[in-house]
Amino acid sequence: DGGITQSPKYLFRKEGQNVTLSCEQNLNHDAMYWYRQDPGQGLRLIYYSQIVNDFQKGDIAEGYSVSREKKESFPLTVTSAQKNPTAFYLCASSSYGQGSYEQYFGPGTRLTVT
Amino acid sequence: AQSVTQLGSHVSVSEGALVLLRCNYSSSVPPYLFWYVQYPNQGLQLLLKYTSAATLVKGINGFEAEFKKSETSFHLTKPSAHMSDAAEYFCAVSPNTGTASKLTFGTGTRLQVTL
Repeated sequence: DGGITQSPKYLFRKEGQNVTLSCEQNLNHDAMYWYRQDPGQGLRLIYYSQIVNDFQKGDIAEGYSVSREKKESFPLTVTSAQKNPTAFYLCASSSYGQGSYEQYFGPGTRLTVT
Repeated sequence: AQSVTQLGSHVSVSEGALVLLRCNYSSSVPPYLFWYVQYPNQGLQLLLKYTSAATLVKGINGFEAEFKKSETSFHLTKPSAHMSDAAEYFCAVSPNTGTASKLTFGTGTRLQVTL
């Protein structure tokens, strides 16, 4: 089955540690995205990538970093510089080009930092 | 810049009643519009999308939405609510120019369905 996998489902870290969230897709999509979800705030875009080896900052990129070395993978690192890292993180992918391409979402990773 | 506003962070309906979730967009040109549903601790699932082909869009699970340019609205409706419809619903917008596929999401509406 084609889809997006995120691992792990739940992640716990101590303050001051970097942590990397995994996102893999087998939909052959060019574009991938990372969102952060907090209660009552909807989804906010952290980073997105429209092609391998290229990515752009979203609305809330500070304290996060990404890489896109393979089309299928778009890992997100939450660094110790992120002031409030506890949140639900969602990865998505879509086709890219002219047209209205909906995004497909993974199941999410809930990160708790104490 | 585009934006969407979802009126009502919580909506409660009785099972069998009409579901109406409101979404208004702000855009200089008619955008692409989407409705997504999210069940607790899960990712988002696409319900339907508007791409200018037809103003009344039918989606999955009996939902539909109507694009009204004069009102800059894209409200989501379902004639008869079911208990399984209880979830959070997000409206999203993307530009229909160029190759951009970035989405801007509303803050969501939590739908409660009561017996």
